[in-house]
Amino acid sequence: NAGVTQTPKFRVLKTGQSMTLLCAQDMNHEYMYWYRQDPGMGLRLIHYSVGEGTTAKGEVPDGYNVSRLKKQNFLLGLESAAPSQTSVYFCASGTTTGELFFGEGSRLTVL
Amino acid sequence: SQQGEEDPQALSIQEGENATMNCSYKTSINNLQWYRQNSGRGLVHLILIRSNEREKHSGRLRVTLDTSKKSSSLLITASRAADTASYFCATALNTGGFKTIFGAGTRLFVKA
Repeated sequence: NAGVTQTPKFRVLKTGQSMTLLCAQDMNHEYMYWYRQDPGMGLRLIHYSVGEGTTAKGEVPDGYNVSRLKKQNFLLGLESAAPSQTSVYFCASGTTTGELFFGEGSRLTVL
Repeated sequence: SQQGEEDPQALSIQEGENATMNCSYKTSINNLQWYRQNSGRGLVHLILIRSNEREKHSGRLRVTLDTSKKSSSLLITASRAADTASYFCATALNTGGFKTIFGAGTRLFVKA
């Protein structure tokens, strides 16, 4: 039982490059989330999903796209990476009572 | 600005003492949760309190919620060095699913 798995764990991009972060959960949760965490700050919600085929904007959605084609997977895409997107990205899946389970994070550096 | 704001930003105490962290939020919520994050790791869920609850206990944790003041507190009793971590409150807004927003966190350091 892996819980929430994020890939890759580390990535370095050049400005303008694109990439996709993959989140997979094996707990059959309906809700999934992508957050970013910058030094000394809390988590800021990028996008979230309340079920397969659905997505919704969070607090800081600009520059990111997401897809939830399968219930167990939630993909976060950066079409044209910018240095301001250097951050640690966390994926979480959530129960219907609101409890979130987090992955270990993906550290992204944009040069 | 974020929905939840924690206070203090940092807290340093001796092992065995109690640690209290506070969280304020701005809008109506469905529930409020507290999470713990060890350095370099993902967040771990500690406790959830619903908007119609006023107090909840889990082991050495005690959480209170005052919806009239839009505030919550987390009390860790008899702290241990292993409690050293960052603690975050998160508020869940029911938008047909839970939109969960985090505060900036309190860094707790427990000295042995």
